[in-house]
Amino acid sequence: GDSVTQMEGPVTLSEEAFLTINCTYTATGYPSLFWYVQYPGEGLQLLLKATKADDKGSNKGFEATYRKETTSFHLEKGSVQVSDSAVYFCALLNNQGGKLIFGQGTELSVKP
Amino acid sequence: EAGVTQFPSHSVIEKGQTVTLRCDPISGHDNLYWYRRVMGKEIKFLLHFVKESKQDESGMPNNRFLAERTGGTYSTLKVQPAELEDSGVYFCASSQASTGARMNTEAFFGQGTRLTVV
Repeated sequence: GDSVTQMEGPVTLSEEAFLTINCTYTATGYPSLFWYVQYPGEGLQLLLKATKADDKGSNKGFEATYRKETTSFHLEKGSVQVSDSAVYFCALLNNQGGKLIFGQGTELSVKP
Repeated sequence: EAGVTQFPSHSVIEKGQTVTLRCDPISGHDNLYWYRRVMGKEIKFLLHFVKESKQDESGMPNNRFLAERTGGTYSTLKVQPAELEDSGVYFCASSQASTGARMNTEAFFGQGTRLTVV
C-alpha cells in the first residue's frame, strides 16, 4: 500500500542554520504531496503542497520539490528561526480516496 | 470563520471506561476525517465521512470504536471500552466537497484531543 517515510527526529539546529527534512514515498498513481506542521499546543496546519511532478511548493521560507524519479519531497529552509520549532509531517493524498497518508513526523528544535 | 473544533482538548480515563470525542467541522464542509497519532508514530487514518455517510472506515482499529456524524454536521468518536493502547492524539479534519475525479481539496485540521487511558 501507499506509504511515507521521513527522517527521524528530533532535529536540533541553531538559529539561521540550513534545514533539510527528508521525505520519500511509495504510491500507486500520481499522488499529491504535502508538508504539515504542528506548532506546540496547536493543530496541524498545511505548510505547503505540490500536486504534480517537478512542482515546487513554498511558504514561509520553506520549499519542497516533487521529485517523481526519486519519489521524494524533501523539506528545506535556508535559515531557520526559533519560531520554526515544531513537528513536521510529510503526507500524500492518493487519487483513489480522500485520506492522507502521513509519515511519522520529525520534531525540529531551533536554539537561539 | 471558525476552524475545525475538537472537544475535549485532553481526556484522562481509566481502562474499561467510555470516552466520546467530538468534532465540529468548518461549516459547509462535506468531508470529515478522523485520524490518530499514537506516541511518536505516524498519524493514521481512521475513517472518512461524506456528509452523514461513512465513505471509508478501513482505518478503524476494532469494534470498540464507533463514529457517527449526525445530520452531516458534527461528528463523534466513541471508544467503549477504552484500552491502554487507545492512548494518543485524535485529530479531526474537514474539507469541501471534491470536484471531478481528483480529490485534492485542502483538509483543515483541528487541534486534536489528547486521550490518555490509564
